[in-house]
Amino acid sequence: SQQGEEDPQALSIQEGENATMNCSYKTSINNLQWYRQNSGRGLVHLILIRSNEREKHSGRLRVTLDTSKKSSSLLITASRAADTASYFCATDAGGGNKLTFGTGTQLKVEL
Amino acid sequence: DAEITQSPRHKITETGRQVTLACHQTWNHNNMFWYRQDLGHGLRLIHYSYGVHDTNKGEVSDGYSVSRSNTEDLPLTLESAASSQTSVYFCASSAGPGGYNEQFFGPGTRLTVL
Repeated sequence: SQQGEEDPQALSIQEGENATMNCSYKTSINNLQWYRQNSGRGLVHLILIRSNEREKHSGRLRVTLDTSKKSSSLLITASRAADTASYFCATDAGGGNKLTFGTGTQLKVEL
Repeated sequence: DAEITQSPRHKITETGRQVTLACHQTWNHNNMFWYRQDLGHGLRLIHYSYGVHDTNKGEVSDGYSVSRSNTEDLPLTLESAASSQTSVYFCASSAGPGGYNEQFFGPGTRLTVL
């Protein structure tokens, strides 16, 4: 069963706009990670946030974590066409780096 | 540069045949993982290993096996391929044990079982 569920399933925006994706999960976690997957490629790690952290930034990415609501959000600011990809959240419940992935959000950034 | 590779990239096989998918990493990572990716399901964990001679079942392990004889390789074997195993398979690795580690993914193997 999936631990994480992303919302929305698909998102289409214009270049320069911000994109927000949400992830909900079911059990307590050690950390939560976000990955990007370009069409036909493997996944690439974007950012990791620990269970005791509430917000983390990396370049144009901002991730928040609310453990009381069992939810996380990924914000991509000033999006570019190159950001077009699927985005997955993944939870590590036990700290052994065994990840459970959500079903992903397909982001399309149009020129 | 360190990397993780998978072979073959594409494979077509018949129902009932044994198939082995290769995964090789040069990160010297202790942890290695196999996932399958299907539409509507995201990635699901098949098997994983925390070191040489260590293997563990994941969420969807039935019909699959792995063995870890060295640090670099974790081959995935489908004992008797079934049409339900048509999927894209990803191998990943991460440093360990424990800690807060990202996973590094291979490019994937697209397997079709006819």
